[in-house]
Parts: sequence; C-alpha cells; structure tokens
Amino acid sequence: EAQVTQNPRYLITVTGKKLTVTCSQNMNHEYMSWYRQDPGLGLRQIYYSMNVEVTDKGDVPEGYKVSRKEKRNFPLILESPSPNQTSLYFCASRGDHPPKTQYFGPGTRLLVL
Amino acid sequence: DQQVKQNSPSLSVQEGRISILNCDYTNSMFDYFLWYKKYPAEGPTFLISISSIKDKNEDGRFTVFLNKSAKHLSLHIVPSQPGDSAVYFCAASPTGKLIFGQGTTLQVKP
Repeated sequence: EAQVTQNPRYLITVTGKKLTVTCSQNMNHEYMSWYRQDPGLGLRQIYYSMNVEVTDKGDVPEGYKVSRKEKRNFPLILESPSPNQTSLYFCASRGDHPPKTQYFGPGTRLLVL
Repeated sequence: DQQVKQNSPSLSVQEGRISILNCDYTNSMFDYFLWYKKYPAEGPTFLISISSIKDKNEDGRFTVFLNKSAKHLSLHIVPSQPGDSAVYFCAASPTGKLIFGQGTTLQVKP
C-alpha cells in the first residue's frame, strides 16, 4: 500500500530537549515536505526536499532542521524545542507529474511544555 | 501575507443539498489548484484539482470551478452526505510547492 508514515504520532516534551520526528514514504517520490498546521493558519510549509541531499526552507523554517540522506526518509529535527512549536505536523511526498498531488502522513501532534 | 484565503471558517448544510466551499488567491502565476479533505486524526487527502488553463473539473459528486479573472475557485459537493463532514483545504501550486488556505470545516447534517 502506497503510504507516508510518521513517528511518533503523539509527543509531549519539554523546552530545549532535542527531538526528531521521522517520515518515510514507499512511493519512490523525489519531493518530500514538512508542514505544520495551526488553528486559523492552515498548513504552512517548514522545509522541503527536491531529492536526496537537496533541501530548502519553506515559509516557517525557524527552529527546525531536516536531512535527506535517503530517498524514502525525511526526518524533521527540533534541536531546542520551544512552546511556540507546539503544533500538528505533517510530512508529505509528491510524484513528478501533474496535478502535483501531495500525499500526506497521518500527522504528529507535538506539545512542548 | 496570505496568498490563498478561505474566508469561511465553517459551513453547515443539510444532507442531500449542495455544499459550496470558496477560496480566493492573489497570485495570477499559480498554475494548479487543489482541494484536500481532512478528517480528525488523519492527514489531508487529495480530493480534486484543476489546471489554470481550465475553468471546471468534475469528479463524481465533486466539481471545482475556477474563475481566473476574479482569482477565485470553488468546490461544489452535490449531493452532500454526512461522510463529507471534514475540514476542506484549498491549495495553490506555484512550480510544485503547495500554498494552503486556512481551511473550512464542513458539517453535513442528516
């Protein structure tokens, strides 16, 4: 089954404690992306990757890091989480052909105390 | 600077009637528009899309209309069903990136 998986699904942490949210896709997609969803703001792109070893900032990259060492994996790293990073996070991947549909993971709900 | 706007946070319709969800955008260079549906505790799922060279695309009960001069698109669901109750996001695609609106919560009452 074609899918995007994320782990963990729920996470409670404290300010400053480094964490990583993993993302993996089995569709051989080159493009992967991370979004955060906040009330009244919709989904905003954090980082994206056009291919292995190619990453770039989205609209809200501050406080986040990513890496793309393998095509299927695109982890999101919070080196020093802060309460304003409490949010619902989605990983997505996309094929190369129109209509440029992105396939989303189930989401990771993060609470930073 | 919100490039894609969904000005109605919520919409409630009766089962069997038409649901119309609206979306406005600011950038005339967007080349694709997409609608996503999101249930609680799940990721958004693709619903329907339209290229900027078209003004209408239909898929079963779902139709998307694009008015380029007004920079406006709408999603029509006919007939609406209780299972359509979800959050709907419109998104615009400039060169592969997706820019999302804030979302509209649709409630379809039995």
